[in-house]
Amino acid sequence: EADIYQTPRYLVIGTGKKITLECSQTMGHDKMYWYQQDPGMELHLIHYSYGVNSTEKGDLSSESTVSRIRTEHFPLTLESARPSHTSQYLCASSESPSGTSYNEQFFGPGTRLTVL
Amino acid sequence: KNQVEQSPQSLIILEGKNCTLQCNYTVSPFSNLRWYKQDTGRGPVSLTIMTFSENTKSNGRYTATLDADTKQSSLHITASQLSDSASYICVVSDRGSTLGRLYFGRGTQLTVWP
Repeated sequence: EADIYQTPRYLVIGTGKKITLECSQTMGHDKMYWYQQDPGMELHLIHYSYGVNSTEKGDLSSESTVSRIRTEHFPLTLESARPSHTSQYLCASSESPSGTSYNEQFFGPGTRLTVL
Repeated sequence: KNQVEQSPQSLIILEGKNCTLQCNYTVSPFSNLRWYKQDTGRGPVSLTIMTFSENTKSNGRYTATLDADTKQSSLHITASQLSDSASYICVVSDRGSTLGRLYFGRGTQLTVWP
């Protein structure tokens, strides 16, 4: 199993709260990703990073923000959570350069977020 | 538009039976195709990967096929076990970006009954 960790695994919070979802990997991968997944639906890329101090928005618009100060750490923050943010959030990482590992992404266990 | 379509959406089989899941894609330029297994409440785990030149790949009781001409793939599960109950996701990677963008299907939810 890949060495990529997410905390918390489950989070239930009230509307308007600020939250940070943690993601860490011990594989030394340069690339990291955040996906959002609703039940029965495909994963949608919301943020990615090529490396330290690099962050980009993904395909799905998201009110969340990310930071990449250290290679192993890629936290996601919601400044003011709303019920529409209720979803599962999956973090992943892959090594660079792309092509040598066929872009295999290793996924964390996910954080199930519920905003009341 | 790059898309990945999977069928069936859900499937119920009895323990010990075989089943086949389908994946059609329109991703171009194609790099590779993976099948992932996602247990409930967990992240996806890679089962097989196939590049353009490969048309079959096995991993234990899982056998994936790829027809790059028709842009179709299948995942065959032999002698199913209760632990095979999960969502199986087809994921296609393109060659057109340094990011190595992945395109995900919605998955087939497989339930294995005793």
